Amino acid sequence: NAGVMQNPRHLVRRRGQEARLRCSPMKGHSHVYWYRQLPEEGLKFMVYLQKENIIDESGMPKERFSAEFPKEGPSILRIQQVVRGDSAAYFCASSPPDRARETQYFGPGTRLLVL
Amino acid sequence: GESVGLHLPTLSVQEGDNSIINCAYSNSASDYFIWYKQESGKGPQFIIDIRSNMDKRQGQRVTVLLNKTVKHLSLQIAATQPGDSAVYFCAEKIKGAQKLVFGQGTRLTINP
Repeated sequence: NAGVMQNPRHLVRRRGQEARLRCSPMKGHSHVYWYRQLPEEGLKFMVYLQKENIIDESGMPKERFSAEFPKEGPSILRIQQVVRGDSAAYFCASSPPDRARETQYFGPGTRLLVL
Repeated sequence: GESVGLHLPTLSVQEGDNSIINCAYSNSASDYFIWYKQESGKGPQFIIDIRSNMDKRQGQRVTVLLNKTVKHLSLQIAATQPGDSAVYFCAEKIKGAQKLVFGQGTRLTINP
């Protein structure tokens, strides 16, 4: 009965490198959400995906950030050419396909540090 | 509403006392609300939720109250324990959307 899984838990990158964050939703969940959290702040929505579809990317920066949720495998949040301002905790959440069950369950997060 | 990056409000209570954490939400079109607990270095953990057609919901040691007139949400924790020490966030979901909008958060400290 595993919950939402994220890896890596910690990621260190130098400016200009790429960061790839992975998220496996809870079993039976087909909706995935990515949020970003800066220290001492609440989580900020980035993107909402279903299998092979991006449903809402209104919180994604226009450049360097992309997300996917392929038919097989985990959801990936990709940050190209990272900058120091990308340092944050990135959380993935999942929810079941039943729209009446809206609760989003969060993973442990990936803490990205850009040097 | 949206976090504004200020220092987190803090609340200290004695172990065994009751605590009340408040949250003002931003959008009158929100129809679903959740309280999350976040411990240091961990992800948000679901505590309790409530839909906009209700004004009160109870769980184990927790109660959520919703006042739509003033757009206010509160979380009551009864008989607090050391393990309740954490940051608590309210989150709202606007009707028709799936994303959650998180509040600023409140740091709760339980004193022995």
